[in-house]
Amino acid sequence: GAVVSQHPSWVICKSGTSVKIECRSLDFQATTMFWYRQFPKQSLMLMATSNEGSKATYEQGVEKDKFLINHASLTLSTLTVTSAHPEDSSFYICSAGTATNYGYTFGSGTRLTVV
Amino acid sequence: QKEVEQDPGPLSVPEGAIVSLNCTYSNSAFQYFMWYRQYSRKGPELLMYTYSSGNKEDGRFTAQVDKSSKYISLFIRDSQPSDSATYLCAMSASGNQFYFGTGTSLTVIP
Repeated sequence: GAVVSQHPSWVICKSGTSVKIECRSLDFQATTMFWYRQFPKQSLMLMATSNEGSKATYEQGVEKDKFLINHASLTLSTLTVTSAHPEDSSFYICSAGTATNYGYTFGSGTRLTVV
Repeated sequence: QKEVEQDPGPLSVPEGAIVSLNCTYSNSAFQYFMWYRQYSRKGPELLMYTYSSGNKEDGRFTAQVDKSSKYISLFIRDSQPSDSATYLCAMSASGNQFYFGTGTSLTVIP
């Protein structure tokens, strides 16, 4: 089955620094990747949608200059949280799929803690 | 009004019980319906996928969609402690953008 690898699984960083999270589709080519954020006991919130080779589409309220998304290849997308602050602490999850893969496959998530 | 409503629970059942998880939605255009299972600190795992109305069965899991009532259900038969997790419903009109419920936390007690 389709496998999506997300790295790192957890990271602690100092306030003001930047953190990069990687999302890789291991056995298929992902034309579309989604980045979600999840707060405790809350639903997944879509942050942005990225299609390979084009700029990401950000959801309303998500700062594109703060959450930089790059989808340079069909197997890799990255989310960089720039100038992280404690309120950015959250669980970030990516999902990847193709045009016919309804449901999409999720990565294992990254727990970001900003101190 | 939220696109998708899901009772967060928590729900606690004895081992072997039948579990019923539900979501309601407001957008009549939704036609792709998914159930995900999420263990603590892990990403969601797709359990069931249903297109349009009807039932779908896979082992101990049955997904039901009632589009006339805008209501979907996931049934788990012979529940096991390993089923303890958060279950998220998700739905989509186009198959691209998904709307998620908040998840229902389930604990199956041995």
